[in-house]
Amino acid sequence: DAGVIQSPRHEVTEMGQEVTLRCKPISGHNSLFWYRQTMMRGLELLIYFNNNVPIDDSGMPEDRFSAKMPNASFSTLKIQPSEPRDSAVYFCASIQGSERAFFGQGTRLTVV
Amino acid sequence: KQEVTQIPAALSVPEGENLVLNCSFTDSAIYNLQWFRQDPGKGLTSLLLIQSSQREQTSGRLNASLDKSSGRSTLYIAASQPGDSATYLCAVSLYSSASKIIFGSGTRLSIRP
Repeated sequence: DAGVIQSPRHEVTEMGQEVTLRCKPISGHNSLFWYRQTMMRGLELLIYFNNNVPIDDSGMPEDRFSAKMPNASFSTLKIQPSEPRDSAVYFCASIQGSERAFFGQGTRLTVV
Repeated sequence: KQEVTQIPAALSVPEGENLVLNCSFTDSAIYNLQWFRQDPGKGLTSLLLIQSSQREQTSGRLNASLDKSSGRSTLYIAASQPGDSATYLCAVSLYSSASKIIFGSGTRLSIRP
């Protein structure tokens, strides 16, 4: 397996634009997590899914953020409209049961 | 609310030394605990996973211990090498296998040749 795949790796966008981040989890994994990492706040859990169902989205900072998992092999995190304070590295991770978590390489988002 | 703390935030030691990284958590009702490594500009790699019923796990020069009752875990690195330089994060999984994973802020480790 190629591991957790995130795209794009880098995204630069202007304030107010819509941004969509994508994640393909490892095949067979039943839980998927979206994290945001900044120097100031470290790794923050935004939302996680179990069997494609959102379980806890209490970490989503505002209504501007939304996440979907239409099937077991794909998830998106959307920011609309984007703001400079959304600049961060966004990670996706997947897990099978109680096993180790596998992380993607992340998407570095810069909002100017 | 579960909080995970790692002290120190940064550590620099000469090559060859044995070292210990610390992690503490406020709620002992965890399902498991993982130690991760993160290299600059990269994603996280899981090094060791300890289930709540276990006391320790070993992989090569790494040994992780877990004391649920005191809310502590340690990562022991033997005979450190410059290639061990990275940020090490611990994370706890709450309640069950389908629950959130909460991370500490990490310890940035530098091994001096």
